[in-house]
Amino acid sequence: EPEVTQTPSHQVTQMGQEVILRCVPISNHLYFYWYRQILGQKVEFLVSFYNNEISEKSEIFDDQFSVERPDGSNFTLKIRSTKLEDSAMYFCASSLNRNTEAFFGQGTRLTVV
Amino acid sequence: QKEVEQDPGPLSVPEGAIVSLNCTYSNSAFQYFMWYRQYSRKGPELLMYTYSSGNKEDGRFTAQVDKSSKYISLFIRDSQPSDSATYLCAMKGGTSYGKLTFGQGTILTVHP
Repeated sequence: EPEVTQTPSHQVTQMGQEVILRCVPISNHLYFYWYRQILGQKVEFLVSFYNNEISEKSEIFDDQFSVERPDGSNFTLKIRSTKLEDSAMYFCASSLNRNTEAFFGQGTRLTVV
Repeated sequence: QKEVEQDPGPLSVPEGAIVSLNCTYSNSAFQYFMWYRQYSRKGPELLMYTYSSGNKEDGRFTAQVDKSSKYISLFIRDSQPSDSATYLCAMKGGTSYGKLTFGQGTILTVHP
């Protein structure tokens, strides 16, 4: 069964460093997303990406964040200068179109120290 | 008022019980509704997807949507210890580009 895969599963980084989280969405899907879940809190939307551009983003997704689809399969989230409060689980998701169900990856646990 | 409200529980039931999980929402633009199951430190796993009022059944799971009341439910029949997890409701619609709005999640424990 097709699935969304994310790497790495756990990333530890020092405050101020740049991190890149990687995702391979389901191959025929057209919409891609990043979500974040701080420990004990709800899953929060960060950004949606369609047709090689950002289609929607939340207030959390400020200038420190960027997304890219560098080739036909990968979808990345970059955080330029990490802060302690960026520590969270980051989930990538994809859907066939904007109204269909979204499938999530297993997440990357980001720890900023 | 939060866009999506979900009682975080925790909910503890004996094996074999029928479990009822609920969410209410305030945004009438929401048209598509999902239930996810999430194990600790794992990604949300899709259980049910519905887009019309009424019931949808899949095995032991039944999703119910009442758009007039802005209320959705997930029923789990014959609950098993392996159903112990956090259950998340999520919804989308309107002019958004697929953005999902999640509830807080309900922690469920099914004890043998």
